[in-house]
Amino acid sequence: DAGVTQSPTHLIKTRGQHVTLRCSPISGHKSVSWYQQVLGQGPQFIFQYYEKEERGRGNFPDRFSARQFPNYSSELNVNALLLGDSALYLCASSSSLGSTDTQYFGPGTRLTVL
Amino acid sequence: GNSVTQMEGPVTLSEEAFLTINCTYTATGYPSLFWYVQYPGEGLQLLLKATKADDKGSNKGFEATYRKETTSFHLEKGSVQVSDSAVYFCALSAPNTGNQFYFGTGTSLTVIP
Repeated sequence: DAGVTQSPTHLIKTRGQHVTLRCSPISGHKSVSWYQQVLGQGPQFIFQYYEKEERGRGNFPDRFSARQFPNYSSELNVNALLLGDSALYLCASSSSLGSTDTQYFGPGTRLTVL
Repeated sequence: GNSVTQMEGPVTLSEEAFLTINCTYTATGYPSLFWYVQYPGEGLQLLLKATKADDKGSNKGFEATYRKETTSFHLEKGSVQVSDSAVYFCALSAPNTGNQFYFGTGTSLTVIP
């Protein structure tokens, strides 16, 4: 079975622009989470969606938004990009919302803001 | 609150040396604990997990034991290989926070022949 897939792999934008990142979870997984990983740091939680509803939100500004579609794929949107938004954006999927459930990560989208 | 503190890196070891990467946590309730590994340019791969106190997770020669009394989940391997060179992340998932993960800052390991 395919793992978590993300697109695009790399993206270069300029300040003030908008970006959309996409994620497809492992087949059968209903939960998708988004994380931001700044170089040299651990991933920071941005959003979690389950059954198309937002179930958790990290400490990120309203410029960040996300949604989950009926097929459980997800999009992360970032408006008014800042230089500090440059990071690796990771998507993870899990079968449910249990704290014992493993999150499986995609390869990430590397966003560079110039 | 929930947080993970990891041993500062980078760590450089010779092949076949013993590895320990320290991880301690703070959590509400009884969390599940995970170790992930990240190779250059890639996403995170699950290495091992433990979901209750005294559980030992193991995989590919790596081991970690969930120690509730010391709130620790240290990663160990008896004999490292060059191919183990990567960044290692300790993480927790706490009850009543959905499936949100809290990560440490990562420990970079380089194994030299």
